[in-house]
Amino acid sequence: EAGVTQFPSHSVIEKGQTVTLRCDPISGHDNLYWYRRVMGKEIKFLLHFVKESKQDESGMPNNRFLAERTGGTYSTLKVQPAELEDSGVYFCASSQARVGEQYFGPGTRLTVT
Amino acid sequence: SQKIEQNSEALNIQEGKTATLTCNYTNYSPAYLQWYRQDPGRGPVFLLLIRENEKEKRKERLKVTFDTTLKQSLFHITASQPADSATYLCALDIEDFNKFYFGSGTKLNVKP
Repeated sequence: EAGVTQFPSHSVIEKGQTVTLRCDPISGHDNLYWYRRVMGKEIKFLLHFVKESKQDESGMPNNRFLAERTGGTYSTLKVQPAELEDSGVYFCASSQARVGEQYFGPGTRLTVT
Repeated sequence: SQKIEQNSEALNIQEGKTATLTCNYTNYSPAYLQWYRQDPGRGPVFLLLIRENEKEKRKERLKVTFDTTLKQSLFHITASQPADSATYLCALDIEDFNKFYFGSGTKLNVKP
């Protein structure tokens, strides 16, 4: 069984540009989460999808961040326009059950210069 | 303010000893708590989950305790091995909906 995959693994963009991160969850997992780890800080929750619906997006920092989950399969997280403070590692996770372990992807390291 | 604290200093122990990592929290009443392992350049990997009404959970060489009065969880690795060297994260689910609040993690170094 394939794990959670994320693309790209690294992205370096200039301030003001747009970046789109992609996450492919484990097949059959209805729950998909996005997290972010900024340098030196803890991993922070961004949002939670159940199938294609946003269940909780309370962690999204501002309206420059837009997440979508097409047809309840893969998800994208777009940052537009990117700012310096958006640099960090963005993790995606999926789970089958509402309560229980989450399977994390390897993360996308975003650097905004 | 809400806070989850893990010892930011690395824990260095000798192979074969028991490693004990601490997760303290304030101003939360978590429904359950999970422990994850993270290796450099990788995403966290689930280890154990313990619910608020459970005192202890075990899995092979791992043991987790959860004291909701002290607002503390302890994570033990017995007979530690160099392969156990990693960063260990605790994560709390406050609202019982799989939305986690993570600690910053403790790095464990097991020396041969």
